[in-house]
Amino acid sequence: DVKVTQSSRYLVKRTGEKVFLECVQDMDHENMFWYRQDPGLGLRLIYFSYDVKMKEKGDIPEGYSVSREKKERFSLILESASTNQTSMYLCASSFFDEQYFGPGTRLTVT
Amino acid sequence: GDSVTQMEGPVTLSEEAFLTINCTYTATGYPSLFWYVQYPGEGLQLLLKATKADDKGSNKGFEATYRKETTSFHLEKGSVQVSDSAVYFCALRAGAQKLVFGQGTRLTINP
Repeated sequence: DVKVTQSSRYLVKRTGEKVFLECVQDMDHENMFWYRQDPGLGLRLIYFSYDVKMKEKGDIPEGYSVSREKKERFSLILESASTNQTSMYLCASSFFDEQYFGPGTRLTVT
Repeated sequence: GDSVTQMEGPVTLSEEAFLTINCTYTATGYPSLFWYVQYPGEGLQLLLKATKADDKGSNKGFEATYRKETTSFHLEKGSVQVSDSAVYFCALRAGAQKLVFGQGTRLTINP
């Protein structure tokens, strides 16, 4: 069965902290994505990666960076967390048309 | 740029009612269209898709038809159940592997 896992379901961090969100997929997919989900705004793409060590900016990359050192793992980094980054973060991987999503990490920055 | 617009929610229906969630899109070329569903506490999962005009996607009693002339992909179900309560997202893929999502529609079905 297809599996995308995220390191935490809930996370609380303080303003200014460096935050790492980890995502692992077991399907050998080349493409991986990070989205944030906010009420009334749907899903917005932060970054995506189509191969190891490759990354491309999505629609809202400001304040975020990513790392993909291994095919199965895609990390989202908040260099200095701010309260406006409080959100639900969803990771996905894709094979052709279909994207497979992890359960999400609800991040609160206080 | 490409965009997807969904009917605003939340939508509340009684069990066995007919469901329609409207979705229209703007895109260059001929995008693939999708409906994803998010059950409480879970990530999104693909519900159905259509890749060309007049295609009908269907799954779990849900249907949507790709209408190029009206740039629409409305989701329908003839008789909803309590277990259909979820958030539904319409999305398109116009190039590469990136998806563009609508804002989501929260559906609640009362017994």
